[in-house]
Amino acid sequence: QKEVEQDPGPLSVPEGAIVSLNCTYSNSAFQYFMWYRQYSRKGPELLMYTYSSGNKEDGRFTAQVDKSSKYISLFIRDSQPSDSATYLCAPDRGSARQLTFGSGTQLTVLP
Amino acid sequence: NAGVTQTPKFRVLKTGQSMTLLCAQDMNHEYMYWYRQDPGMGLRLIHYSVGEGTTAKGEVPDGYNVSRLKKQNFLLGLESAAPSQTSVYFCASRLAGTGGIQYFGAGTRLSVL
Repeated sequence: QKEVEQDPGPLSVPEGAIVSLNCTYSNSAFQYFMWYRQYSRKGPELLMYTYSSGNKEDGRFTAQVDKSSKYISLFIRDSQPSDSATYLCAPDRGSARQLTFGSGTQLTVLP
Repeated sequence: NAGVTQTPKFRVLKTGQSMTLLCAQDMNHEYMYWYRQDPGMGLRLIHYSVGEGTTAKGEVPDGYNVSRLKKQNFLLGLESAAPSQTSVYFCASRLAGTGGIQYFGAGTRLSVL
């Protein structure tokens, strides 16, 4: 079983839709939960992160972590075509801060 | 400020050939990482370094070697390339004490025939 499981999609939504992207993990030691966005043929870039359980909001994006169920979510409100990318969840695994990446969910927002 | 720069961007090798991928960062970061990305597999850690002169194995180190002779550079070597090493390789760096915030290069697309 992988440490981090992520639905690979692809996910296609119309512009303006609310998008929900999700991951589950198995390692209870994870404390930081990162979301990276990767455009086609580019390197990943950090979108946002949360520490421990709870919600964090940044503009149209909300990251949510439920450590009791080991569930990570990213919500995108009023989705835009420019949000079309692959989204990678990445819990922080330990003292060397090695990230464990999910396989990524490919999102397409149709105009 | 260039951030993380990877060279080359593309390369085609024949089985058994060797090559070195170069990663350079200008942010004075202590930690540097090499990942490979394959379809459906996400990013997998090959090797990493927590400082100049130190390296450590990641999740998939076999067939690769690394060196970090200077703080700003992290080299990934393939001594005898195999078709299974066809992948996109990403380098990343991180400032110590900043949690899981890594900065990535644009990637190197490697094909081994």
